[in-house]
Amino acid sequence: EAGVTQFPSHSVIEKGQTVTLRCDPISGHDNLYWYRRVMGKEIKFLLHFVKESKQDESGMPNNRFLAERTGGTYSTLKVQPAELEDSGVYFCASSQQSTSTDTQYFGPGTRLTVL
Amino acid sequence: GNSVTQMEGPVTLSEEAFLTINCTYTATGYPSLFWYVQYPGEGLQLLLKATKADDKGSNKGFEATYRKETTSFHLEKGSVQVSDSAVYFCALSGGAQKLVFGQGTRLTINP
Repeated sequence: EAGVTQFPSHSVIEKGQTVTLRCDPISGHDNLYWYRRVMGKEIKFLLHFVKESKQDESGMPNNRFLAERTGGTYSTLKVQPAELEDSGVYFCASSQQSTSTDTQYFGPGTRLTVL
Repeated sequence: GNSVTQMEGPVTLSEEAFLTINCTYTATGYPSLFWYVQYPGEGLQLLLKATKADDKGSNKGFEATYRKETTSFHLEKGSVQVSDSAVYFCALSGGAQKLVFGQGTRLTINP
């Protein structure tokens, strides 16, 4: 069974540009999460999809970030326009159930560098 | 709100040493507790978890016990190996399902 995949693995962009990150969850997992780790700090939650619906987007930092999950399969996270403080590692995770006991399976992350 | 406080690193040990990485939490209700590990160049992997008080999670020689009375979930291993070198993250999941992480502890094991 394939795990969670993310693309690209690394992206370097200029401040003010747009970047789109993609996440493919484990097949059959209705729950998809985005997290990010900025500058060696703790990993922080961004948002949670159940199928194509946003269940919780309380962690989205501002309106420069737009997440979509059309059709309830893969998800994209767009940053437009990117700022220096957006640099970090963006992780995607998926789970089968929507319970606190269920394991979230993480992808390898996308390292975003904004210059 | 929910929070996790994790032992600050980096931690450097010799092979076969005993390992403890402390983790305490603050949460309402009865969260589930997790340890994730990130090996060099890889993504986060679940190491172990415990979903109720007094549960012990274990995997690859690592153990952690969910202690509600001390709000702790310390990670232990009796004899570490060079291959255990990684960054370890303690995390909790409450009613909102999202994971709340500690800041991570970088562990280096020297031969």
